[in-house]
Amino acid sequence: EAGVAQSPRYKIIEKRQSVAFWCNPISGHATLYWYQQILGQGPKLLIQFQNNGVVDDSQLPKDRFSAERLKGVDSTLKIQPAKLEDSAVYLCASSLVFRDAYGYTFGSGTRLTVV
Amino acid sequence: AQSVAQPEDQVNVAEGNPLTVKCTYSVSGNPYLFWYVQYPNRGLQFLLKYITGDNLVKGSYGFEAEFNKSQTSFHLKKPSALVSDSALYFCAARVGSGAGSYQLTFGKGTKLSVIP
Repeated sequence: EAGVAQSPRYKIIEKRQSVAFWCNPISGHATLYWYQQILGQGPKLLIQFQNNGVVDDSQLPKDRFSAERLKGVDSTLKIQPAKLEDSAVYLCASSLVFRDAYGYTFGSGTRLTVV
Repeated sequence: AQSVAQPEDQVNVAEGNPLTVKCTYSVSGNPYLFWYVQYPNRGLQFLLKYITGDNLVKGSYGFEAEFNKSQTSFHLKKPSALVSDSALYFCAARVGSGAGSYQLTFGKGTKLSVIP
């Protein structure tokens, strides 16, 4: 079974620029998560989708971050404009079991550096 | 607030010695607990989980974890450490995210270094 695909692997941008990350979950996984992992910290949930609907985006900084999951498959996370403190690894995960966290599978992540 | 704590930023152990990476939790209801490992420039890899049943859970790569309800702990263990076990380890717990759904909340991670 193919894993969770993320791109790009690395991105360096200047502050105030925009950036977008892409995630393709495991086929058949209805639940998709975006996590932010700042160096020295554990992953923090940004947004959770169930199919193409948002279940939880309470920790998403909505003034600069946005995410969508059109057609309930691929997802895109965007930052506009980026700040220095957005430097982190952005992890996408998908889960098979509806409404649960048994079978999380993570992608390799996108490492963002904002300079 | 529901949370997971990993009290040690780093654990050093000699190769061949037993290792323990500590985790405590504070969640409502029955805890669903997980351990993940992260190698450099890689995503998180699932090691093991506790849902219910036996308090000693066995997982991948020879790791096991002991669930202790009275101490609200879920420590990761391995009888004999390998240099290749050196990595970042995360403890996680399932928490409700509203609308009847769940997500994982993570500890801050513990860096394990196995010394040859």
